[in-house]
Amino acid sequence: EIVMTQSPATLSVSPGERATLSCRASQSVSSNLAWHQQKPGQAPRLLIYGASTRATGIPARFNGSGSGTEFTLTISSLQSEDFAVYYCQQYNNWPSFGPGTKVDIK
Amino acid sequence: QLQLQESGPGLVKPSETLSLTCSVSGGSVSSNNNYWGWIRQPPGKGLEWIGSVYYSGNTYHNPSLKSRVTISVDTSKHQFSLNLISVSAADTAVYYCARSLELLDAFDIWGQGTMVTVSS
Repeated sequence: EIVMTQSPATLSVSPGERATLSCRASQSVSSNLAWHQQKPGQAPRLLIYGASTRATGIPARFNGSGSGTEFTLTISSLQSEDFAVYYCQQYNNWPSFGPGTKVDIK
Repeated sequence: QLQLQESGPGLVKPSETLSLTCSVSGGSVSSNNNYWGWIRQPPGKGLEWIGSVYYSGNTYHNPSLKSRVTISVDTSKHQFSLNLISVSAADTAVYYCARSLELLDAFDIWGQGTMVTVSS
C-alpha cells in the first residue's frame, strides 16, 4: 500500500496571496498523482492529474509539480472560492489519498 | 455531460449489509473507457478508495476491505452497486461513486455522495 502524507494540515492564507501545499508518497508514484479540492458538504473536484495537468475548466492559478515521491500544488493568488480542503491521490497502484490540507482565511 | 447519483438507505444496523447504487446519466456505463469506483469519507476524515468495477464485470478492491466488499454493474439499468457486509460503526461515512478513465487513474467525475450511518 502506498501511504500519502500532506503538509501542512492547515494553511492560513490571506486572499490574493500564494498558497503552497505539499504531498509526499511512501514510494515512487512516478507522475501518477492527482489533486482534488473539496468544499464543505460537497464532493471532491478534480483539479490536477498527471502531477501537473489541469483538469477541464480549472483556472490557471492552480499549478501542480513534482514526480516520484514529492509533489506540490501552488495556488498563485488565492480567491475566496479557493478556501477548501485539498487532497492528493496517487494512482500508480491501488488508489490512495492523502489526509488533506485545509486552506483557510488568515 | 456525465453525471453520477448515489442512492440507498441512510441507516444500517450493525452486522447487516450496506447496499448502495450509483446511477449513471449523460453517458454509458458500458463505455470501454470508463471504470466505476466507490470511495468513502468518514465524518471529519479523509478519503478511502473501496473498489472499482469495469462494465465487463471485472472488479478491483481495496485489500483492507476486500473480504467484505462486492461491487457489480448492471448495464441494462445504467447502474453499478456496492455491497458491504458485516458493517460496524467504523463504516459510517459519506459514500461517493466516481468515474476514472483507467483502472489506475484520477477520479474525474464524482457523485454528490450519500451519508450512511451504522447504528442500532
